[in-house]
Amino acid sequence: DAKTTQPPSMDCAEGRAANLPCNHSTISGNEYVYWYRQIHSQGPQYIIHGLKNNETNEMASLIITEDRKSSTLILPHATLRDTAVYYCIVSPLSNDMRFGAGTRLTVKP
Amino acid sequence: NAGVTQTPKFQVLKTGQSMTLQCAQDMNHEYMSWYRQDPGMGLRLIHYSVGAGITDQGEVPNGYNVSRSTTEDFPLRLLSAAPSQTSVYFCASSLRVGPTYEQYFGPGTRLTVT
Repeated sequence: DAKTTQPPSMDCAEGRAANLPCNHSTISGNEYVYWYRQIHSQGPQYIIHGLKNNETNEMASLIITEDRKSSTLILPHATLRDTAVYYCIVSPLSNDMRFGAGTRLTVKP
Repeated sequence: NAGVTQTPKFQVLKTGQSMTLQCAQDMNHEYMSWYRQDPGMGLRLIHYSVGAGITDQGEVPNGYNVSRSTTEDFPLRLLSAAPSQTSVYFCASSLRVGPTYEQYFGPGTRLTVT
């Protein structure tokens, strides 16, 4: 059963912020929100994760709503190299992560 | 660190053949996983291991076996290859950060079964 819902595709202009939404209305209290991306046919790359507070690292920011039913991944200044499929995953403390279809982000010059 | 390495990069098998996909990591991670990715699809978990000697099934385990005799290695065995197993196979190892995990993926093995 699908635990997250993401738009299948999005475009973003180079240099602008890319805001990728994710709905996870059935998230449990012990489940974290993880974001990964997959560039072309490479292995996925970890981006960020959070529980209920907003998080930021050198790659991105993660904004989680107060009710935790949705979140947004923000790439503050998208570059052409950020073109990839972005996966939003909710997972409990175990290592059993289920990847969905993700959002294909295309950054355009 | 080499990170997560997978061999071979490409493989063609005939239906009914068996083979082992190799995965190794040099980061001393306890957790390792195998995923498959079919064209245009997301990744699906096949098997995972929480440490040496311990394995468990994921979402699509049928037709695959795993073992974890060392922390570094996590091979995936195809017992009798079928065309439905044509896919890209990714191995991952996970760094535990407090109660959560960050997965590091290998470059993948592209398998074609004819």
